[in-house]
Amino acid sequence: QVQLQESGPGLVKPSQTLSLTCTVSGGSISSDNFYWSWIRQPAGKGLEWIGRVSSTGNSNYNPSLESRVSMSIDTSKNHFSLKLMSVTAADSAVYYCARHDVPGASQSWFDPWGQGTLVTVSS
Amino acid sequence: DTVMTQTPDSLAVSLGERATINCKSSQTVLYTSNNKNCVAWYQQKAGQPPKLLIYWASTRGSGVPDRFRGSGSGTDFSLTISSLQAEDVAVYYCQQYYTTPLTFGGGTKVEI
Repeated sequence: QVQLQESGPGLVKPSQTLSLTCTVSGGSISSDNFYWSWIRQPAGKGLEWIGRVSSTGNSNYNPSLESRVSMSIDTSKNHFSLKLMSVTAADSAVYYCARHDVPGASQSWFDPWGQGTLVTVSS
Repeated sequence: DTVMTQTPDSLAVSLGERATINCKSSQTVLYTSNNKNCVAWYQQKAGQPPKLLIYWASTRGSGVPDRFRGSGSGTDFSLTISSLQAEDVAVYYCQQYYTTPLTFGGGTKVEI
């Protein structure tokens, strides 16, 4: 059973770059050409899709964040990563990684999800 | 963007009673290749990540109790909990995966 686990700094200073990694266990990140996404949730608010990366490294981002976002995948380490540049307090949120549940489908529902990691942007 | 509008924002239901959550998409989410609607529903309990309940608008995820039922077509979709249990207290979200950016509804908090 595939499991995902986010990791990275819990505190980032304004204007700096937020960097997170999602490690996949219980299966190969490169098998079946799954897509992998990042989703965030500010405290007490709803869910926002940030973007996705394929097992071959193709990526697509939410236009609302596209100018500041970069995603990559490292099949040798079985993880994928998120970088969000020039952060402000508005980027404080729980960040989740999730797998698109249909092999090869760039647009599908998310299952499973990681447990999430809280990132606070503050000086 | 495809906006997913959920109603109500919250509802209180007695144990054993029915709860219905609505979700309206701002445009069609019909995938013509299989004639299915690209809508998923998630349950999020406090301090936990969202859990998949429903996909293709009406297909239950693995292990999801049959008291959870998804329905709808066109731009109007619903999640019904037929007999509310104490463990169903959570926030519920709809999501469209027809087009990017993938978008979620604002959430509906279900309480006893």
